[in-house]
Amino acid sequence: NAGVTQTPKFRVLKTGQSMTLLCAQDMNHEYMYWYRQDPGMGLRLIHYSVGEGTTAKGEVPDGYNVSRLKKQNFLLGLESAAPSQTSVYFCASRGIFSYEQYFGPGTRLTVT
Amino acid sequence: DAKTTQPTSMDCAEGRAANLPCNHSTISGNEYVYWYRQIHSQGPQYIIHGLKNNETNEMASLIITEDRKSSTLILPHATLRDTAVYYCIVPTGGSYIPTFGRGTSLIVHP
Repeated sequence: NAGVTQTPKFRVLKTGQSMTLLCAQDMNHEYMYWYRQDPGMGLRLIHYSVGEGTTAKGEVPDGYNVSRLKKQNFLLGLESAAPSQTSVYFCASRGIFSYEQYFGPGTRLTVT
Repeated sequence: DAKTTQPTSMDCAEGRAANLPCNHSTISGNEYVYWYRQIHSQGPQYIIHGLKNNETNEMASLIITEDRKSSTLILPHATLRDTAVYYCIVPTGGSYIPTFGRGTSLIVHP
């Protein structure tokens, strides 16, 4: 099992550009989450999904969109990147019967 | 989530036990306490969780007070590789929207 994987690992964008971050899990988990982490800060929840075809807003959803068309994938989109979105993005998943979350290795995004 | 309070930072000598406290005075009767850690630049990693009884696994021990208002994560023989930020979380509800605060930054020194 690969667990939770994230693509890409690094990316540099210019202000106004768009991109999609991909999160994939092979554990048949129902729940998936996208977080961002700024230097010296804890993780902040952007969006999450409780199952295929569902999404919900987290603490800091503005400027991001998500989709969960397949159970194993959770996509995070930036339509028009801004320097304030420079951060490390983590994806996580968990099963129904446990609160234990499994995290991906992160995507380091820089917006210039 | 029930609110948790942790010290901002701690340090420990290599080979000694590291005891990381967490206060969760508003915890409800059926809520678990979860601990994660985040080694620099990596995604958080699950360590252990508990409800009432003390728990132990290959990574750590979790001691929960009888009134459940606080807990302590114990790393029995800390190594340099245990240097990380440790998060104490009390999730609530079926949909579980977890909150990772700033946690405790543990530095293990030689």
